[in-house]
Amino acid sequence: SAVISQKPSRDICQRGTSLTIQCQVDSQVTMMFWYRQQPGQSLTLIATANQGSEATYESGFVIDKFPISRPNLTFSTLTVSNMSPEDSSIYLCSVETGGWTEAFFGQGTRLTVV
Amino acid sequence: KNQVEQSPQSLIILEGKNCTLQCNYTVSPFSNLRWYKQDTGRGPVSLTIMTFSENTKSNGRYTATLDADTKQSSLHITASQLSDSASYICVVALVNNNDMRFGAGTRLTVKP
Repeated sequence: SAVISQKPSRDICQRGTSLTIQCQVDSQVTMMFWYRQQPGQSLTLIATANQGSEATYESGFVIDKFPISRPNLTFSTLTVSNMSPEDSSIYLCSVETGGWTEAFFGQGTRLTVV
Repeated sequence: KNQVEQSPQSLIILEGKNCTLQCNYTVSPFSNLRWYKQDTGRGPVSLTIMTFSENTKSNGRYTATLDADTKQSSLHITASQLSDSASYICVVALVNNNDMRFGAGTRLTVKP
Protein backbone atom coordinates (compact mmCIF):
# COMPACT_ATOMS: atom_id res chain seq x y z
CA SER A 1 0.00 0.00 0.00
CA ALA A 2 0.93 3.66 -0.15
CA VAL A 3 0.12 6.51 2.19
CA ILE A 4 -0.10 9.93 0.60
CA SER A 5 0.19 13.20 2.47
CA GLN A 6 -1.20 16.12 0.52
CA LYS A 7 -0.84 19.75 1.62
CA PRO A 8 -2.53 22.12 2.07
CA SER A 9 -5.91 20.51 2.70
CA ARG A 10 -7.64 23.73 1.76
CA ASP A 11 -6.87 27.32 0.91
CA ILE A 12 -8.58 30.53 -0.07
CA CYS A 13 -6.54 32.57 -2.52
CA GLN A 14 -6.78 35.90 -4.26
CA ARG A 15 -7.16 35.91 -8.03
CA GLY A 16 -3.92 36.44 -9.88
CA THR A 17 -1.83 34.64 -7.27
CA SER A 18 -0.38 31.13 -7.39
CA LEU A 19 -0.69 28.14 -5.07
CA THR A 20 1.64 25.16 -4.86
CA ILE A 21 0.20 21.86 -3.69
CA GLN A 22 2.53 19.23 -2.30
CA CYS A 23 2.15 15.46 -2.42
CA GLN A 24 4.41 13.21 -0.33
CA VAL A 25 4.29 9.41 -0.63
CA ASP A 26 5.64 7.01 1.96
CA SER A 27 7.17 4.73 -0.68
CA GLN A 28 8.88 5.11 -4.03
CA VAL A 29 6.50 5.18 -6.97
CA THR A 30 7.15 5.65 -10.65
CA MET A 31 3.95 7.29 -11.73
CA MET A 32 2.11 10.09 -9.97
CA PHE A 33 -1.04 11.71 -11.25
CA TRP A 34 -2.70 15.04 -10.60
CA TYR A 35 -6.48 15.39 -10.87
CA ARG A 36 -9.04 18.14 -10.59
CA GLN A 37 -12.54 17.53 -9.29
CA GLN A 38 -15.19 20.17 -9.77
CA PRO A 39 -17.96 20.25 -7.17
CA GLY A 40 -20.34 17.34 -7.62
CA GLN A 41 -18.41 15.94 -10.56
CA SER A 42 -15.94 13.15 -11.09
CA LEU A 43 -12.21 13.44 -11.50
CA THR A 44 -10.43 14.93 -14.50
CA LEU A 45 -6.80 14.04 -15.08
CA ILE A 46 -4.56 17.10 -15.35
CA ALA A 47 -1.20 15.46 -15.93
CA THR A 48 0.99 12.46 -15.30
CA ALA A 49 4.29 13.14 -13.53
CA ASN A 50 7.11 10.64 -13.88
CA GLN A 51 10.39 11.16 -12.10
CA GLY A 52 13.18 12.27 -14.39
CA SER A 53 11.00 13.46 -17.26
CA GLU A 54 8.64 16.26 -18.13
CA ALA A 55 5.06 15.87 -17.02
CA THR A 56 2.55 14.79 -19.64
CA TYR A 57 -0.50 17.06 -19.76
CA GLU A 58 -4.00 16.14 -20.84
CA SER A 59 -5.95 18.11 -23.39
CA GLY A 60 -7.07 21.42 -21.93
CA PHE A 61 -4.25 21.69 -19.41
CA VAL A 62 -0.93 23.45 -20.08
CA ILE A 63 2.38 23.62 -18.27
CA ASP A 64 2.34 27.40 -17.92
CA LYS A 65 -0.90 27.21 -15.96
CA PHE A 66 -0.17 24.01 -14.01
CA PRO A 67 3.60 23.56 -13.66
CA ILE A 68 4.54 20.27 -12.02
CA SER A 69 7.73 19.21 -10.29
CA ARG A 70 8.82 15.63 -9.62
CA PRO A 71 12.24 15.86 -8.00
CA ASN A 72 12.28 12.28 -6.69
CA LEU A 73 10.24 9.08 -6.47
CA THR A 74 8.34 10.11 -3.33
CA PHE A 75 7.41 13.73 -3.93
CA SER A 76 5.63 15.98 -6.41
CA THR A 77 4.15 19.46 -6.52
CA LEU A 78 1.43 21.01 -8.64
CA THR A 79 1.24 24.79 -8.94
CA VAL A 80 -1.96 26.52 -9.97
CA SER A 81 -0.73 29.77 -11.53
CA ASN A 82 -2.38 33.13 -12.04
CA MET A 83 -5.55 31.85 -10.45
CA SER A 84 -9.06 32.87 -11.35
CA PRO A 85 -12.37 31.89 -9.71
CA GLU A 86 -12.76 29.19 -12.38
CA ASP A 87 -9.82 27.37 -10.81
CA SER A 88 -11.82 26.82 -7.63
CA SER A 89 -11.90 23.06 -7.30
CA ILE A 90 -10.52 20.09 -5.44
CA TYR A 91 -7.08 18.98 -6.57
CA LEU A 92 -5.92 15.43 -5.87
CA CYS A 93 -2.71 13.54 -6.37
CA SER A 94 -2.66 9.82 -6.96
CA VAL A 95 -0.08 7.07 -7.30
CA GLU A 96 -0.10 3.65 -8.88
CA THR A 97 1.76 0.80 -7.24
CA GLY A 98 2.60 -2.66 -8.53
CA GLY A 99 1.44 -2.00 -12.06
CA TRP A 100 -2.33 -2.03 -12.20
CA THR A 101 -2.89 -3.60 -8.86
CA GLU A 102 -3.69 -0.54 -6.83
CA ALA A 103 -4.19 3.18 -6.97
CA PHE A 104 -4.09 5.50 -3.97
CA PHE A 105 -5.25 9.07 -3.62
CA GLY A 106 -4.31 11.93 -1.39
CA GLN A 107 -6.96 13.62 0.72
CA GLY A 108 -7.27 16.45 -1.75
CA THR A 109 -6.75 20.20 -1.64
CA ARG A 110 -9.90 22.30 -1.69
CA LEU A 111 -9.03 25.54 -3.44
CA THR A 112 -11.27 28.60 -3.44
CA VAL A 113 -10.24 31.60 -5.52
CA VAL A 114 -11.85 34.90 -4.65
CA LYS B 1 -20.33 11.65 -24.66
CA ASN B 2 -18.71 10.19 -21.57
CA GLN B 3 -17.16 6.83 -22.30
CA VAL B 4 -18.04 5.58 -18.83
CA GLU B 5 -21.69 5.99 -17.88
CA GLN B 6 -22.94 5.37 -14.37
CA SER B 7 -26.48 4.99 -13.12
CA PRO B 8 -28.32 6.04 -11.19
CA GLN B 9 -26.89 9.50 -10.68
CA SER B 10 -28.07 9.42 -7.07
CA LEU B 11 -29.78 6.89 -4.83
CA ILE B 12 -31.36 6.98 -1.38
CA ILE B 13 -31.90 3.76 0.55
CA LEU B 14 -32.71 2.76 4.10
CA GLU B 15 -30.09 1.32 6.38
CA GLY B 16 -29.87 -2.45 6.11
CA LYS B 17 -31.14 -2.59 2.53
CA ASN B 18 -29.17 -3.78 -0.47
CA CYS B 19 -28.50 -1.77 -3.60
CA THR B 20 -26.83 -2.14 -6.98
CA LEU B 21 -25.00 0.54 -8.91
CA GLN B 22 -24.42 0.27 -12.65
CA CYS B 23 -21.51 1.17 -14.91
CA ASN B 24 -21.54 0.89 -18.71
CA TYR B 25 -18.45 1.68 -20.71
CA THR B 26 -17.45 1.98 -24.34
CA VAL B 27 -13.69 2.47 -24.03
CA SER B 28 -11.19 -0.05 -25.37
CA PRO B 29 -8.71 -1.64 -25.28
CA PHE B 30 -9.51 -2.49 -21.73
CA SER B 31 -7.04 -3.34 -18.94
CA ASN B 32 -9.03 -3.23 -15.76
CA LEU B 33 -12.15 -1.79 -14.22
CA ARG B 34 -12.16 -0.22 -10.78
CA TRP B 35 -14.75 0.89 -8.29
CA TYR B 36 -13.87 3.67 -5.85
CA LYS B 37 -15.68 5.04 -2.83
CA GLN B 38 -15.29 8.73 -2.17
CA ASP B 39 -16.52 10.21 1.08
CA THR B 40 -17.38 13.89 1.00
CA GLY B 41 -14.23 15.97 1.29
CA ARG B 42 -11.92 12.97 0.99
CA GLY B 43 -9.91 11.33 -1.74
CA PRO B 44 -11.27 8.21 -3.48
CA VAL B 45 -10.51 4.83 -1.92
CA SER B 46 -10.27 1.70 -4.02
CA LEU B 47 -12.94 -0.96 -3.44
CA THR B 48 -12.27 -3.46 -6.21
CA ILE B 49 -10.12 -3.86 -9.30
CA MET B 50 -11.08 -6.44 -11.96
CA THR B 51 -9.22 -7.48 -15.05
CA PHE B 52 -10.76 -8.46 -18.35
CA SER B 53 -10.97 -12.13 -17.34
CA GLU B 54 -12.61 -11.65 -13.96
CA ASN B 55 -16.39 -11.78 -13.59
CA THR B 56 -16.79 -10.96 -9.93
CA LYS B 57 -14.78 -9.69 -7.00
CA SER B 58 -15.82 -9.06 -3.43
CA ASN B 59 -14.54 -6.76 -0.72
CA GLY B 60 -16.58 -7.30 2.41
CA ARG B 61 -20.13 -6.14 1.76
CA TYR B 62 -19.16 -4.84 -1.67
CA THR B 63 -19.37 -7.18 -4.68
CA ALA B 64 -18.45 -6.03 -8.15
CA THR B 65 -19.37 -7.89 -11.32
CA LEU B 66 -18.04 -7.46 -14.81
CA ASP B 67 -19.39 -8.58 -18.18
CA ALA B 68 -16.70 -7.72 -20.70
CA ASP B 69 -18.89 -8.85 -23.61
CA THR B 70 -21.63 -6.33 -22.87
CA LYS B 71 -19.20 -3.85 -21.30
CA GLN B 72 -21.17 -3.60 -18.13
CA SER B 73 -20.20 -3.66 -14.48
CA SER B 74 -22.18 -3.44 -11.30
CA LEU B 75 -21.38 -2.78 -7.67
CA HIS B 76 -23.67 -4.50 -5.19
CA ILE B 77 -23.75 -3.31 -1.60
CA THR B 78 -25.23 -5.69 0.93
CA ALA B 79 -26.82 -4.73 4.25
CA SER B 80 -26.06 -1.06 3.80
CA GLN B 81 -24.76 1.04 6.67
CA LEU B 82 -24.89 4.75 7.28
CA SER B 83 -21.15 4.91 6.58
CA ASP B 84 -21.82 3.68 3.04
CA SER B 85 -23.13 7.15 2.21
CA ALA B 86 -20.63 8.39 -0.36
CA SER B 87 -20.02 8.75 -4.08
CA TYR B 88 -19.12 5.57 -5.93
CA ILE B 89 -16.98 6.03 -9.00
CA CYS B 90 -16.44 3.55 -11.81
CA VAL B 91 -13.09 3.84 -13.57
CA VAL B 92 -11.92 2.01 -16.68
CA ALA B 93 -8.18 1.79 -17.23
CA LEU B 94 -6.95 1.34 -20.75
CA VAL B 95 -4.18 -1.02 -21.68
CA ASN B 96 -1.26 1.17 -20.71
CA ASN B 97 -2.86 2.08 -17.36
CA ASN B 98 -1.74 5.65 -17.83
CA ASP B 99 -5.10 6.39 -19.37
CA MET B 100 -8.07 6.07 -17.09
CA ARG B 101 -11.61 7.11 -17.85
CA PHE B 102 -13.82 8.13 -14.96
CA GLY B 103 -17.55 7.84 -14.62
CA ALA B 104 -19.44 10.76 -13.11
CA GLY B 105 -20.23 8.69 -10.03
CA THR B 106 -23.35 7.64 -8.16
CA ARG B 107 -24.16 9.55 -5.01
CA LEU B 108 -25.52 7.06 -2.43
CA THR B 109 -27.29 8.20 0.71
CA VAL B 110 -28.14 5.66 3.39
CA LYS B 111 -30.80 6.84 5.83
CA PRO B 112 -31.60 5.38 9.24
